[in-house]
Amino acid sequence: DAGVIQSPRHEVTEMGQEVTLRCKLISGHNSLFWYRQTMMRGLELLIYFNNNVPIDDSGMPEDRFSAKMPNASFSTLKIQPSEPRDSAVYFCASSFGQNPDTQYFGPGTRLTVL
Amino acid sequence: DQQVKQNSPSLSVQEGRISILNCDYTNSMFDYFLWYKKYPAEGPTFLISISSIKDKNEDGRFTVFLNKSAKHLSLHIVPSQPGDSAVYFCAASAISSGDKLTFGTGTRLAVRP
Repeated sequence: DAGVIQSPRHEVTEMGQEVTLRCKLISGHNSLFWYRQTMMRGLELLIYFNNNVPIDDSGMPEDRFSAKMPNASFSTLKIQPSEPRDSAVYFCASSFGQNPDTQYFGPGTRLTVL
Repeated sequence: DQQVKQNSPSLSVQEGRISILNCDYTNSMFDYFLWYKKYPAEGPTFLISISSIKDKNEDGRFTVFLNKSAKHLSLHIVPSQPGDSAVYFCAASAISSGDKLTFGTGTRLAVRP
């Protein structure tokens, strides 16, 4: 298996633009997690899905952020409009959805908002 | 409110010596703990885990110790190798929270040759 796939790996955009980050889960996994990594807060969970259903979105910073899971293997995280403070590395991870469980991370998308 | 804390942002150790990375947590509901390792430009990778019913779990050079009364866990790497240089994240989960993980801020380990 190729593991969790994220695209793009790097994104540079201007303030106010829409940004869409993409994630493909590991085949057979049922849970999908979006994280943001910053120096101050480490890895913050933004939202997670189980069987395509959003379970906990309490970490989503504000209404500018939205996430979808249109099918069992794919997810998007959208920021509209983007702001410089959104600059960070965004990771997605997937797991079998068991408890306890191990999450497998993608390589991340480094977002820079100018 | 940081429920999982890694108070040392960095650690430097000589090759061959022991590395000890520490993690504290505040949520008494946490019952499963994990350590992840992260190299630059890569995603975190799972390293080792421990259930709250145990106080020690060992996997090769890596051992995790859990002190529930102190709400403290530590990762021991012995002997340390230059390839161990990475950022290490501690994470915790609670059965009441499903498969959600709460991560610490990470500790950057540098192993000097």
